[in-house]
Amino acid sequence: EPEVTQTPSHQVTQMGQEVILRCVPISNHLYFYWYRQILGQKVEFLVSFYNNEISEKSEIFDDQFSVERPDGSNFTLKIRSTKLEDSAMYFCASEGVEDTQYFGPGTRLTVL
Amino acid sequence: GNSVTQMEGPVTLSEEAFLTINCTYTATGYPSLFWYVQYPGEGLQLLLKATKADDKGSNKGFEATYRKETTSFHLEKGSVQVSDSAVYFCALMGSNFGNEKLTFGTGTRLTIIP
Repeated sequence: EPEVTQTPSHQVTQMGQEVILRCVPISNHLYFYWYRQILGQKVEFLVSFYNNEISEKSEIFDDQFSVERPDGSNFTLKIRSTKLEDSAMYFCASEGVEDTQYFGPGTRLTVL
Repeated sequence: GNSVTQMEGPVTLSEEAFLTINCTYTATGYPSLFWYVQYPGEGLQLLLKATKADDKGSNKGFEATYRKETTSFHLEKGSVQVSDSAVYFCALMGSNFGNEKLTFGTGTRLTIIP
């Protein structure tokens, strides 16, 4: 069964450093998303992406964040200058024509 | 805006007990409703969904019925197992036209004891 994959599973970085989180969505899916979950809290929407551009973004998704689909398979989230409060689990999701989002296993980001 | 209110946890039950996790929502239009499950150390897995009023989603013995009149989508299972221990998230998608974000509830941690 096709699945969304994410790398790395765990990323540790120093405050102020740039990180890139990678996702491979399910092939032939059209819509792509990033969410995050701070430890013990609810899952929060960050950004949606369709047709090579951002469809919607939340207040969390400020100028420090960017997304890209550099080729036909990868979907990346970049945080330019990480802050302590960026520590969270980041989930990628993709959606096809059936209006259901399928999530990857997540990347745990720890900012020291 | 859209919102989901979910039963506070944690919930602890004995094996074979009946489970209900309450979920209510606020939305304009005709949302789709979902339950996702997160097992320890893992990501979010779709458990079931319903896309219109009176639809019943079901999977692995779990059920939830989309009730527009009470704006609810309560999760039920007749006889829980230890392997059902996880965090359960109720979620809403504002429409079923695609490219819509999910709005999640706070999650309910369920622990089943043998």
